[in-house]
Amino acid sequence: EAGVTQFPSHSVIEKGQTVTLRCDPISGHDNLYWYRRVMGKEIKFLLHFVKESKQDESGMPNNRFLAERTGGTYSTLKVQPAELEDSGVYFCASSPLLAGGPFEQFFGPGTRLTVL
Amino acid sequence: AQKVTQAQTEISVVEKEDVTLDCVYETRDTTYYLFWYKQPPSGELVFLIRRNSFDEQNEISGRYSWNFQKSTSSFNFTITASQVVDSAVYFCAKHGANSKLTFGKGITLSVRP
Repeated sequence: EAGVTQFPSHSVIEKGQTVTLRCDPISGHDNLYWYRRVMGKEIKFLLHFVKESKQDESGMPNNRFLAERTGGTYSTLKVQPAELEDSGVYFCASSPLLAGGPFEQFFGPGTRLTVL
Repeated sequence: AQKVTQAQTEISVVEKEDVTLDCVYETRDTTYYLFWYKQPPSGELVFLIRRNSFDEQNEISGRYSWNFQKSTSSFNFTITASQVVDSAVYFCAKHGANSKLTFGKGITLSVRP
């Protein structure tokens, strides 16, 4: 079974440009999460989808970040316009929606975003 | 804020040594879950263990063992007879009443042959 996949693996853009990150969760996982790790700091929660609905977006830094999960399958995270402080590794994770949780979240390899 | 603290940032050991990675957490939740993840050079986070707050039994899985001490809010991870393949960044994390994982900063473990 395929794991969580993320695209692209690396992105280098200039300040002010737009970037869209994509995450494909494990098939059948209704929970989808976005996290971000800025260099040397903790991995921080950005938001949580249950199917296509945003369950918790308390970690989104500001309105330059827009996440979508149309149809409850893959998700995109758009940064527009990108700023220098947005550089970091963006992780996506998914987990099943089952009673008795929370179960482990399965993580993708991350997208390394560099804003110059 | 309910933090997870991994005070060690980098640890270097020689193969076959035992090594303990420390994790201390803060929480106001009665029920919570603790996790350890491993991040090898390939970048993805690999799940190692989940422990709920009501289960203080220590757990052993092969060369890995975990010591959960609720009284000191610690959830330490020991690797016995370390191997080069254990070299990675290890993250401790907590899941409370909300939906998100709160991570520590991670510990970079280097195992030298």
